[in-house]
Amino acid sequence: DIQMTQSPSSLSASVGDRVTITCRASQTISGYLNWYQQRPGKAPKVLIYTASSLHSGVPSRFSGSGSGTDFTLTITGLQPEDFATYFCQQSFSTPPTFGQGTKVEI
Amino acid sequence: EVQLVESGGGLVQPGRSLRLSCAASGFTIGDYAMHWVRQAPGKGLEWVSGINWNSNSIDYADSVKGRFTISRDNAKNSLYLEMRSLRGQDTALYYCAKGNRESFYYSALDVWGQGTTVTVSS
Repeated sequence: DIQMTQSPSSLSASVGDRVTITCRASQTISGYLNWYQQRPGKAPKVLIYTASSLHSGVPSRFSGSGSGTDFTLTITGLQPEDFATYFCQQSFSTPPTFGQGTKVEI
Repeated sequence: EVQLVESGGGLVQPGRSLRLSCAASGFTIGDYAMHWVRQAPGKGLEWVSGINWNSNSIDYADSVKGRFTISRDNAKNSLYLEMRSLRGQDTALYYCAKGNRESFYYSALDVWGQGTTVTVSS
């Protein structure tokens, strides 16, 4: 199975900050990397698919980049509602695997 | 409104069985792959199983292979997960999720239900 490692595991930031979360795959996954946001007590929501495509309805302050094994989620201009845990997930091979999550605290 | 609603969770003794259901509305599941993903209390996300649009391709996590069976009824717009020989480690919130492709390969999960809780305990 492909292992996904996120860093950091948690971070503290202020409203308006630029936040970057990284995700590294244990082997190349081309661009098949998705990002999800999970607010406390809620189901995950997809933010970015195939590394850099913004899902419909997701604010443009979210962006993704990367290919191969190294990927980045960037939030430009952090908002209070962005307090959440973020997960990356590879869909290059089965089983699809998730990173351990990054908790963003405002 | 595009929606997934899971049901069938509950408290079950180790070794027993449970069947989860997921009812879709606002879209036709027959056009997409569907998945089950679980989240143990306070933990991360674990993919459990996926099924492509016509049930011709199915896969499972190693942790459930041989014990869980995924199925779908496109006519009823519903997804199912039959769970047998349940263990304490299966205790989790189980989410039904829609893939954004017909195949579960290369698929992002773009619609999620709110989940149904399965607790395995004596």
